Amino acid sequence: DGGITQSPKYLFRKEGQNVTLSCEQNLNHDAMYWYRQDPGQGLRLIYYSQIVNDFQKGDIAEGYSVSREKKESFPLTVTSAQKNPTAFYLCASRRDGNYGYTFGSGTRLTVV
Amino acid sequence: RKEVEQDPGPFNVPEGATVAFNCTYSNSASQSFFWYRQDCRKEPKLLMSVYSSGNEDGRFTAQLNRASQYISLLIRDSKLSDSATYLCVVSPNAGKSTFGDGTTLTVKP
Repeated sequence: DGGITQSPKYLFRKEGQNVTLSCEQNLNHDAMYWYRQDPGQGLRLIYYSQIVNDFQKGDIAEGYSVSREKKESFPLTVTSAQKNPTAFYLCASRRDGNYGYTFGSGTRLTVV
Repeated sequence: RKEVEQDPGPFNVPEGATVAFNCTYSNSASQSFFWYRQDCRKEPKLLMSVYSSGNEDGRFTAQLNRASQYISLLIRDSKLSDSATYLCVVSPNAGKSTFGDGTTLTVKP
């Protein structure tokens, strides 16, 4: 079955550490997205990519970095510059703007 | 003012009730509209797209009013399993979409 796989499901980060969240899709979608969701809040866009080797900052890109070397993969790195990284991170993809998003099951990141 | 606004609720309704949510948007160039459902601590899942002519899927009906720039979701004969947060999404033709913060629905026995 086609879908989006995010890993790990839970991740614990120490202060000052960089961590990378994985997102892989086999839907053959061109566009991929990273969102952050805090408890009781809506989704905020971190980065998005509409094509391989190209990506754009979203509304809250500071402290995050991404790469898009393959169509299937869009990893997100949470750097030590992100001062409040504890949140639920969601990766999504879609064919184009006329279609809805498909989301992965998310990664819960906690700073310890 | 936010680009997409939803009444956060919560909406507390009895089983069998009809409930409606609205979502207003500010970008008149928006092209595509969707409703998502998000269960607690889970990812959002696409509930339905919203078409200009309105569309129905079982107990769910979605409407778009371009003149007034809002979309709506009507749920008839509410079930306990409909309890969730409902997110509206507004998209331009390409690029990033904007999510509403969601409306929480609780259906009680």
